[in-house]
Amino acid sequence: EAAVTQSPRNKVTVTGGNVTLSCRQTNSHNYMYWYRQDTGHGLRLIHYSYGAGNLQIGDVPDGYKATRTTQEDFFLLLELASPSQTSLYFCASSDNRAGLFFGHGTKLSVL
Amino acid sequence: GEKVEQHQSTLSVREGDSAVINCTYTDTASSYFPWYKQEAGKSLHFVIDIRSNVDRKQSQRLTVLLDKKAKRFSLHITATQPEDSAIYFCAEGGMPNYNVLYFGSGTKLTVEP
Repeated sequence: EAAVTQSPRNKVTVTGGNVTLSCRQTNSHNYMYWYRQDTGHGLRLIHYSYGAGNLQIGDVPDGYKATRTTQEDFFLLLELASPSQTSLYFCASSDNRAGLFFGHGTKLSVL
Repeated sequence: GEKVEQHQSTLSVREGDSAVINCTYTDTASSYFPWYKQEAGKSLHFVIDIRSNVDRKQSQRLTVLLDKKAKRFSLHITATQPEDSAIYFCAEGGMPNYNVLYFGSGTKLTVEP
């Protein structure tokens, strides 16, 4: 079973703060994704990557940067956090054959 | 607009009855339609999918139907059990990466004893 580990599980920051969410997958998947989940919107794709050094823009990229440093690690960066970025963030990975494997999520609150 | 719409935000059925969750999509190039389940307080996991070269796929108590003409697909759960209670998300994707998925807003299914 694919393992996708996110950290931290919970994060509280203030408006204008700097936040980094981390994701590591240990199944040699090429693709990794960052989604946010908000009531009424389902999951919305922020950024994704198909390999180290690659970054693709999703549906809601504004206010987010991301970096894929290795095949295993994908980071989401909020450099000037705003209350509208309060959300539940999911990282996922896939090998483009067997569906997405999701992490347990990071609950972010921006005060 | 949204790439995929999930029309029921909630659905309640009695244990043993069937449940049907419907989604519509807009992109004629969409060719992959998976469903994911999220139990309370947990992450999402894959349950079943269908590709556009077929119009029906069954896995045990789950069946997915795809109507390409109407751009509609649905998840049918028969003989529902309390453990089927969860939020179900439909999604769609296409070439070149089937797993760049766009999700619906979710349907919270409650199976009542």
